[in-house]
Amino acid sequence: NAGVTQTPKFRILKIGQSMTLQCTQDMNHNYMYWYRQDPGMGLKLIYYSVGAGITDKGEVPNGYNVSRSTTEDFPLRLELAAPSQTSVYFCASGGLAGVDAGELFFGEGSRLTVL
Amino acid sequence: QKEVEQDPGPLSVPEGAIVSLNCTYSNSAFQYFMWYRQYSRKGPELLMYTYSSGNKEDGRFTAQVDKSSKYISLFIRDSQPSDSATYLCAMSVNTNAGKSTFGDGTTLTVKP
Repeated sequence: NAGVTQTPKFRILKIGQSMTLQCTQDMNHNYMYWYRQDPGMGLKLIYYSVGAGITDKGEVPNGYNVSRSTTEDFPLRLELAAPSQTSVYFCASGGLAGVDAGELFFGEGSRLTVL
Repeated sequence: QKEVEQDPGPLSVPEGAIVSLNCTYSNSAFQYFMWYRQYSRKGPELLMYTYSSGNKEDGRFTAQVDKSSKYISLFIRDSQPSDSATYLCAMSVNTNAGKSTFGDGTTLTVKP
């Protein structure tokens, strides 16, 4: 059971570079999310998607872009990387109905450093 | 003031102790309350999920919600070294759990 898979696990970027964090889930979940977690802090929602072709901004979307062309994949694009984007990024997927309503499944995280 | 405030910790207890982890919140519209456990360098995993006020028990874990006081707790009985992790509370106004507001986490260490 793969669950939610994120790549890469680690990456160092120079200021101004761009990159894409990949996220794939094999649970056929409609809902997918990207968060960032700064040291000692909780999760902040960057973008989310309720299904293929539908995305929306979360709490901290500036400097990021997403797309959702399939149910399985939800990549996060960083354009013109800045030191403030140094963080750990988590992708998650989840269901909505009944007892599954609260359960999010997280990937293992992508640790990004911008120098 | 943050919408969700979590006891900052860190917390260190001996094996077998009862642990109490707590969060307070200001948004009275929150109806769904979650606790996540996050091991070092791993993603969070859902531990407990409750709707509205009341208690929910699962093995050694009990989640308690007091909406009148805007206060939630997670109790761990007979704590084990394997419980050493960061615990995050999260709350949402609807069933879209991914749009929850998260606390900053409390790091727990259980010493053998």
